[in-house]
Amino acid sequence: GENVEQHPSTLSVQEGDSAVIKCTYSDSASNYFPWYKQELGKRPQLIIDIRSNVGEKKDQRIAVTLNKTAKHFSLHITETQPEDSAVYFCAATVMEYGNKLVFGAGTILRVKS
Amino acid sequence: DAGITQSPRYKITETGRQVTLMCHQTWSHSYMFWYRQDLGHGLRLIYYSAAADITDKGEVPDGYVVSRSKTENFPLTLESATRSQTSVYFCASRRPGTEGLTEAFFGQGTRLTVV
Repeated sequence: GENVEQHPSTLSVQEGDSAVIKCTYSDSASNYFPWYKQELGKRPQLIIDIRSNVGEKKDQRIAVTLNKTAKHFSLHITETQPEDSAVYFCAATVMEYGNKLVFGAGTILRVKS
Repeated sequence: DAGITQSPRYKITETGRQVTLMCHQTWSHSYMFWYRQDLGHGLRLIYYSAAADITDKGEVPDGYVVSRSKTENFPLTLESATRSQTSVYFCASRRPGTEGLTEAFFGQGTRLTVV
């Protein structure tokens, strides 16, 4: 089945710096790659997603890039702020019955002010 | 987000007891999912459902049972709770979309402790 690997598991950056989180997936048929942010004690919420026919997508300080050939995608956060501190999950949709999302193990991002 | 709710929010149960976690969504989404969240493992899929009366196993189904008699409800039952099932459980739902390209919405989670 699908497997999604996410790195790093923890990431500390200084406020104002950029943060990059990387994920790889195994199922070449996957075609939808969302990123979720989970604040402490809260539910995961979608922050950005990308479809397989797009190489890059940007939304203000957040961007996602996709390399289908290499089967990896990345989340880029620029000008980080303390409120960006959270756990970030990447995911890939498995193209089979149920279209289930398979998640990476998560990255704890700490933005130091 | 208020469209998908879980109950209870917190539950403490004893080893060997049966416990049911409830999930209810008001959007009539076809797809519903149960995940468990453990440190270092992210969100692991337990069971999912594509529609009423259609369910299938995910990555970690052992010890769990689900049912879906109505589109809006997707209860998860631990038949005989074990300490290894102590976790935070999240229910999620998605509407059908072109090739599955739709956002998943999560409930607020249930923190289950098995003692």
